[in-house]
Amino acid sequence: KAGVTQTPRYLIKTRGQQVTLSCSPISGHRSVSWYQQTPGQGLQFLFEYFSETQRNKGNFPGRFSGRQFSNSRSEMNVSTLELGDSALYLCASSGNPLGSMNTEAFFGQGTRLTVV
Amino acid sequence: QQQVKQSPQSLIVQKGGISIINCAYENTAFDYFPWYQQFPGKGPALLIAIRPDVSEKKEGRFTISFNKSAKQFSLHIMDSQPGDSATYFCAAVRNEKLTFGTGTRLTIIP
Repeated sequence: KAGVTQTPRYLIKTRGQQVTLSCSPISGHRSVSWYQQTPGQGLQFLFEYFSETQRNKGNFPGRFSGRQFSNSRSEMNVSTLELGDSALYLCASSGNPLGSMNTEAFFGQGTRLTVV
Repeated sequence: QQQVKQSPQSLIVQKGGISIINCAYENTAFDYFPWYQQFPGKGPALLIAIRPDVSEKKEGRFTISFNKSAKQFSLHIMDSQPGDSATYFCAAVRNEKLTFGTGTRLTIIP
């Protein structure tokens, strides 16, 4: 079956603009999480959605937001882009909430965002 | 606040040798501890995971050793192969959230 699909793969935006990234989870998966990966900060948790509800949020400013639709697809939005927002944004999906060792998080290939 | 500390940052191992990556955590409330492997241009992929009530888990050439009292765990890759060259991340899971270590870039040389 198809894996986690993230679109677009690459994106270049200007400071001050906003951007929307999309994630389609594996069919049947209801949990979607977002992570930011940078050389300096590594992989950092942004937020997690399950059945359209945000259940956990990382330590990012309010410019970072997300949502999940009834078909489990998720989007994240970053407003008023800053140079420091340049990163690889990864989406992960799992069939059940990540609390059991038997639940694996499957990652997409990410969206590479460059802010200029 | 870095809750999972990982070392070394980079590691070069001869083909056939043992690669060892170490991690230490601070929060004792984590549910389990997975290791992820990431190749350039790809997302992380789960390699192996361990629960805090188990001291060791082995899957093929990959072994996790877990020391609950010291709050440390490590990944051992036996008979390391060039195809193992990748970045490895340890992680800890709590409340549907993965907290990652900073990563180790492993290079296996012939």
